Amino acid sequence: NAGVTQTPKFRVLKTGQSMTLLCAQDMNHEYMYWYRQDPGMGLRLIHYSVGEGTTAKGEVPDGYNVSRLKKQNFLLGLESAAPSQTSVYFCASSALAGAGNEQFFGPGTRLTVL
Amino acid sequence: DQQVKQNSPSLSVQEGRISILNCDYTNSMFDYFLWYKKYPAEGPTFLISISSIKDKNEDGRFTVFLNKSAKHLSLHIVPSQPGDSAVYFCAAIAGGADGLTFGKGTHLIIQP
Repeated sequence: NAGVTQTPKFRVLKTGQSMTLLCAQDMNHEYMYWYRQDPGMGLRLIHYSVGEGTTAKGEVPDGYNVSRLKKQNFLLGLESAAPSQTSVYFCASSALAGAGNEQFFGPGTRLTVL
Repeated sequence: DQQVKQNSPSLSVQEGRISILNCDYTNSMFDYFLWYKKYPAEGPTFLISISSIKDKNEDGRFTVFLNKSAKHLSLHIVPSQPGDSAVYFCAAIAGGADGLTFGKGTHLIIQP
């Protein structure tokens, strides 16, 4: 039981390049989330999904797109990377929403945009 | 505007003593609160939670207290152990919402 896994663990991009971060969970959770964490900051919600085929915007969605084609996978895309997107990205999943929403996190992807 | 505030960036406590981490919030719609623990280069792991209808929740060495009138919660760890050294995040959720709102975290250092 791997829980939540993220690919890749590290990546360096040049400004304007694109990439996709992959998140996978094996807990059969309905809800999945993408957060970013910047130095000295808490985690901020980028996008989330309440089930297969659904996506919704979080607090900081600009510059990102997401897709949830399969229940177990949640992809985060950067179409044209900018230095402001240098951050650590965490994926999470949960069985429930609202109260009782214990989210399980992946190990993170450290992205640097030059 | 920060809705969840952890005003102490770091806290140093001697091994065996009590660690108290504090968290304040401004959004009165929050009805569920969680504490996460994070080691370097790892994702946050869930520690303990509390519903707004309670004022205390205990799990082994960890106790969370909620004071709704003051919009304040605290995490007590007793006794503190070296493995407790980590960054602790306070998080909250408003009923019906889907994402967590996090504080900036407190780096707890347990001194031998």
